[in-house]
Amino acid sequence: GAGVSQTPSNKVTEKGKYVELRCDPISGHTALYWYRQSLGQGPEFLIYFQGTGAADDSGLPNDRFFAVRPEGSVSTLKIQRTERGDSAVYLCASSVSGQGTGELFFGEGSRLTVL
Amino acid sequence: AQSVAQPEDQVNVAEGNPLTVKCTYSVSGNPYLFWYVQYPNRGLQFLLKYITGDNLVKGSYGFEAEFNKSQTSFHLKKPSALVSDSALYFCAGSEPTGANNLFFGTGTRLTVIP
Repeated sequence: GAGVSQTPSNKVTEKGKYVELRCDPISGHTALYWYRQSLGQGPEFLIYFQGTGAADDSGLPNDRFFAVRPEGSVSTLKIQRTERGDSAVYLCASSVSGQGTGELFFGEGSRLTVL
Repeated sequence: AQSVAQPEDQVNVAEGNPLTVKCTYSVSGNPYLFWYVQYPNRGLQFLLKYITGDNLVKGSYGFEAEFNKSQTSFHLKKPSALVSDSALYFCAGSEPTGANNLFFGTGTRLTVIP
């Protein structure tokens, strides 16, 4: 498809488990972003990639969260030792150049529920 | 801390009436400001942005927003609301350095009543 694709759309896991969330950005978009949206809140920035490198990871809440983008396209957000407070919708977005003035294209999100 | 605020959780307006969704910002310098919309079961969609220049910005679907520096506001407006405009609207900002981490408001749910 032409849009940002995220899988899985829903993930239910148990406390302490490891989770991977995948994002496939729009083809040709060099910038990729991860956000987290908790119930009743706006999206909260996690990390930004320019190409293969994480240009800004200041939003990652702690070292249980990690993201990669090894070939400059698909990205995976990895969460270790999940906690109930990690339950949220994880949003991925991409943009053409990541210059900060452009339009972000968001996926529909991956809803994570930690029991 | 840099932030945007949306003071209204819910806005109701009759179809055909003008609508306003409010946003105020707290950003040092000249901010970049954005509006996004979220329809049910859809991803966030970009509506419009203010970077510099004309204070009145026009965007998608007939929406516009006015940047007001003295009131630190960036309210979203539309002259005539449609039922299909019913959705969740988010104001967002970024630092004028061109930083890529947008900070979002908490959202305003707009309901247009037929």
